[in-house]
Amino acid sequence: DIVMTQSPLSLPVTPGEPASISCRASQSLLHSTGYNYLDWYLQKPGQSPQLVIYLGSNRASGVPDRFSGSGSGTDFILKISRVEAEDVGIYYCMQGLQTPFTFGPGTRVDIK
Amino acid sequence: QVQLQESGPGLVKPSQTLSLTCTVSGGSISTSSYYWSWIRLPAGKGLEWMGRIHPSGGTDYSPSLNRRITISVDTSKNQFSLKLSSVTAADTAVYYCARMAYSNYRPGYYYYYMDVWGKGTTVTVSS
Repeated sequence: DIVMTQSPLSLPVTPGEPASISCRASQSLLHSTGYNYLDWYLQKPGQSPQLVIYLGSNRASGVPDRFSGSGSGTDFILKISRVEAEDVGIYYCMQGLQTPFTFGPGTRVDIK
Repeated sequence: QVQLQESGPGLVKPSQTLSLTCTVSGGSISTSSYYWSWIRLPAGKGLEWMGRIHPSGGTDYSPSLNRRITISVDTSKNQFSLKLSSVTAADTAVYYCARMAYSNYRPGYYYYYMDVWGKGTTVTVSS
């Protein structure tokens, strides 16, 4: 199985400030097509997870443009350009290259 | 707008079989464009993808569960189901069902991601 790790595991943020989360895979997620098979999901408090980013850098429908995904191969970053209060929750990266799909341990983002 | 709803017993005894159903509303489960998945979240841990099924019947399971898990689909009821046998306390979790849609990001290539999730149902394994 592909092992996913994230850092930090906890991230206190200030509204209006930028934030970033790192994700690393135990093997390359770069497909032969040149696309990275990596998603980001956010689980807000009391809610089910929701898709934020797919294919490494594509925002899901309805996701604000303050969210961006970057990286390639084994190292990826989720950036929030200006954090808003509604962005709190646990962010998970997930590899979609091969089954079983595997998630990172999650990064808890909360307001300072 | 497609919605998913999990249902099933909230309490299962050790060694028994956990059975959950996911009812799809607002769309057809028979559409070949989607896979249908089960994911769980044990307390204090991270998300675990358990497996998926295509309406044609094809399945993929996590090897860590392979001998215990069965996912099936009932197109007449617009539902898909999860069965997990020989449960232990380690199977206590919130269970989610999710739809996997695809991006035809390049001609002939499809990437699947989980775009619609159910609200989740808590299952406790205890005697």
